[in-house]
Amino acid sequence: GEDVEQSLFLSVREGDSSVINCTYTDSSSTYLYWYKQEPGAGLQLLTYIFSNMDMKQDQRLTVLLNKKDKHLSLRIADTQTGDSAIYFCAPHNDYKLSFGAGTTVTVRA
Amino acid sequence: DAGVIQSPRHEVTEMGQEVTLRCKPISGHNSLFWYRQTMMRGLELLIYFNNNVPIDDSGMPEDRFSAKMPNASFSTLKIQPSEPRDSAVYFCASSHGQSNQPQHFGDGTRLSIL
Repeated sequence: GEDVEQSLFLSVREGDSSVINCTYTDSSSTYLYWYKQEPGAGLQLLTYIFSNMDMKQDQRLTVLLNKKDKHLSLRIADTQTGDSAIYFCAPHNDYKLSFGAGTTVTVRA
Repeated sequence: DAGVIQSPRHEVTEMGQEVTLRCKPISGHNSLFWYRQTMMRGLELLIYFNNNVPIDDSGMPEDRFSAKMPNASFSTLKIQPSEPRDSAVYFCASSHGQSNQPQHFGDGTRLSIL
């Protein structure tokens, strides 16, 4: 099955940029999603990128994909306190989403 | 638009009891997924339905777990008998059309088995 690795924790100052990194093993993933989970809530779809793209920008969010290295990153510009959450990288192949352990982002004032 | 609706939000029960979790997918979505989230194992896919038919149930832990989808707008996940190790947050998700469409998650049911 697919292995997805993310660093577990990231602490960032309010107003700075956050970069969350993800590596995966299945090169046949066609879509790669980022989900956000706030405490006590479900997973909220943030953004996604097609496997034939290198970059996608969506307001404060920038997704970079290095398909050769199977590396995905999510950059959040001007990080706010409301961005504190767990972020999951989720490669998608056929109907299956593969989840890593998630990165807990803490925004400090 | 209403998202995926799960009930109950919280369930506390004693081991040995039957537990039924409910899910209403987003209207028009024809794929439905049940996941379990724990600290130890993260997010695990339990079962996947397409057009109300179970396609992949390889993630269902054991025979104590069963899932049904009697129609396009309702699914249940049942645990009988429940055990303390079943304590987790159970999520339902749905998606539309082809298999690579994004999955939309409900807020989950937090299940505690005493």
